[in-house]
Amino acid sequence: DVKVTQSSRYLVKRTGEKVFLECVQDMDHENMFWYRQDPGLGLRLIYFSYDVKMKEKGDIPEGYSVSREKKERFSLILESASTNQTSMYLCASSTRLAVYEQYFGPGTRLTVT
Amino acid sequence: QKEVEQNSGPLSVPEGAIASLNCTYSDRGSQSFFWYRQYSGKSPELIMSIYSNGDKEDGRFTAQLNKASQYVSLLIRDSQPSDSATYLCAVNLYSGAGSYQLTFGKGTKLSVIP
Repeated sequence: DVKVTQSSRYLVKRTGEKVFLECVQDMDHENMFWYRQDPGLGLRLIYFSYDVKMKEKGDIPEGYSVSREKKERFSLILESASTNQTSMYLCASSTRLAVYEQYFGPGTRLTVT
Repeated sequence: QKEVEQNSGPLSVPEGAIASLNCTYSDRGSQSFFWYRQYSGKSPELIMSIYSNGDKEDGRFTAQLNKASQYVSLLIRDSQPSDSATYLCAVNLYSGAGSYQLTFGKGTKLSVIP
């Protein structure tokens, strides 16, 4: 089974802090994605990566950056956390041939106070 | 404006009935269509994919696609309380510069009443 893990299930940070969210997948998938999910707004794509050191902006990249130094690991960085970044963050991965058949991690509930 | 639209629900059906979930999308060029299921407090999981017009059946689930009408649906036969979840429709929509991106609808919450 594909396993996607995320570093924290719950996280509380203060406004202005730099926040790192980590995602690891164990199935040698080429593609990795970061989404946020908010009530009434659904799942929205922040960034994705189709290869090591490659990244592409999604629909809502502002205030975020990403890093992919190893194939299995994809990090989301909030440079200066703000209260409007309080959300559920979901990481996903997929193979090159089945880009849209994505496997999701358990999510990180981030609260910025 | 790229969009995937679903009724938010909640959709309530009695146990054993057929649940019908609907989705429309904005991009006539879309080629890939998916249904993800999300239980409360859990992450989405892929349950169906469909790429051609017509029906695709997998156990109690049937996905239906009509590209001319830009419409995709999911039927759940013999609904069970364990089917109670939010169902997310996802479509690959054109995102510019020759690329497509998986875009999710906001989901329909299904409740199966015992």
